[in-house]
Amino acid sequence: AQTVTQSQPEMSVQEAETVTLSCTYDTSESDYYLFWYKQPPSRQMILVIRQEAYKQQNATENRFSVNFQKAAKSFSLKISDSQLGDAAMYFCAYRSAFANFGNEKLTFGTGTRLTIIP
Amino acid sequence: DARVTQTPRHKVTEMGQEVTMRCQPILGHNTVFWYRQTMMQGLELLAYFRNRAPLDDSGMPKDRFSAEMPDATLATLKIQPSEPRDSAVYFCASRDKGNQPQHFGDGTRLSIL
Repeated sequence: AQTVTQSQPEMSVQEAETVTLSCTYDTSESDYYLFWYKQPPSRQMILVIRQEAYKQQNATENRFSVNFQKAAKSFSLKISDSQLGDAAMYFCAYRSAFANFGNEKLTFGTGTRLTIIP
Repeated sequence: DARVTQTPRHKVTEMGQEVTMRCQPILGHNTVFWYRQTMMQGLELLAYFRNRAPLDDSGMPKDRFSAEMPDATLATLKIQPSEPRDSAVYFCASRDKGNQPQHFGDGTRLSIL
């Protein structure tokens, strides 16, 4: 079974600075997807960014980028120019690429609570 | 923007009562998921459907929980009878064919007294 570990329960960053959230995972599969979801106090689960394991290039979405290290099974999220609206819980998630075998669930980490200091 | 719609947003009821949570997936999405979020267990999959057929409900307590998709625009999750340990936030998510990501609804916060 796959596991996802987020070792930082809480992080804080000064507004406009850069912060990196860590995520490691364990799997025996060669092809899979990794995601970062954001959950603000409003409780929504918002997709921030996704990475396909077969792609070596790191995904980026505006101020959000990832550092995907497949051999190390590491998938960190970097937030540049942090804004007050970035304050939320951030969840790392794994999904097998072999979805046709009934294995489409997301496996989530325990989350990192990010605080933005004005 | 198309969104997954969940109702109710909040539900408070007494132990033993039946609870029904509803989800309208994004139009055209063929795979629908139910997740539960608690402080102790985090986010865990309860069940999911593709083209309205259940594919995996191994995460769901079978004695009291049931999930159905009466049609392509409605998924339901029922608890009967409810217990205080069922208190949690229940999320519905849907996704399109292929390898598209899951899109989540706003969740139903359930409190069983």
